[in-house]
Amino acid sequence: DTAVSQTPKYLVTQMGNDKSIKCEQNLGHDTMYWYKQDSKKFLKIMFSYNNKELIINETVPNRFSPKSPDKAHLNLHINSLELGDSAVYFCASSSRLAGDNEQFFGPGTRLTVL
Amino acid sequence: KQEVTQIPAALSVPEGENLVLNCSFTDSAIYNLQWFRQDPGKGLTSLLLIQSSQREQTSGRLNASLDKSSGRSTLYIAASQPGDSATYLCAVSAGGGNKLTFGTGTQLKVEL
Repeated sequence: DTAVSQTPKYLVTQMGNDKSIKCEQNLGHDTMYWYKQDSKKFLKIMFSYNNKELIINETVPNRFSPKSPDKAHLNLHINSLELGDSAVYFCASSSRLAGDNEQFFGPGTRLTVL
Repeated sequence: KQEVTQIPAALSVPEGENLVLNCSFTDSAIYNLQWFRQDPGKGLTSLLLIQSSQREQTSGRLNASLDKSSGRSTLYIAASQPGDSATYLCAVSAGGGNKLTFGTGTQLKVEL
């Protein structure tokens, strides 16, 4: 299937732990994103990478560190997890070359910090 | 700073009705506007994308319009079905089409 995929789908962890979420797209896109959806269902951009380079960083705490090993992957590592990090994290991708930059989203990773 | 508002926050209609969801944004300098649907516990499905130079887009029973100068978009759903029940999100992008700024969503319930 051509899509944006994320692992894991669910992540439950204790405060203070370090965890990673992985994202892969096989759509041939050159730009990838991380969004956070809070408990009130509001979605907000966190990061954007174009061709493995960081282009958007929306004043996210530096405990969050994205890493893009190649154009098809954008992982999110979170250090010293806090209760407030509990949310659903969505990865998305798009193609600047396509002109319309339509964004396609993954299924989300529900992170629960206890 | 771009702000996106969606009205109503929730809507319940009987099956078969035509309905309109509204989206407004404060900064008209947008690159494009996307409408998404989100089912409970699921990801976002892109429904329609309207470029800033376009006035409307259609896909099946869905029609989205864009009035950039007034900062408004509408999503028209014809002959609604129970399967249309979901949260509908509007999002705008600017500055070369990257970051999406999302609205707060309209939760739609179509009843039998």
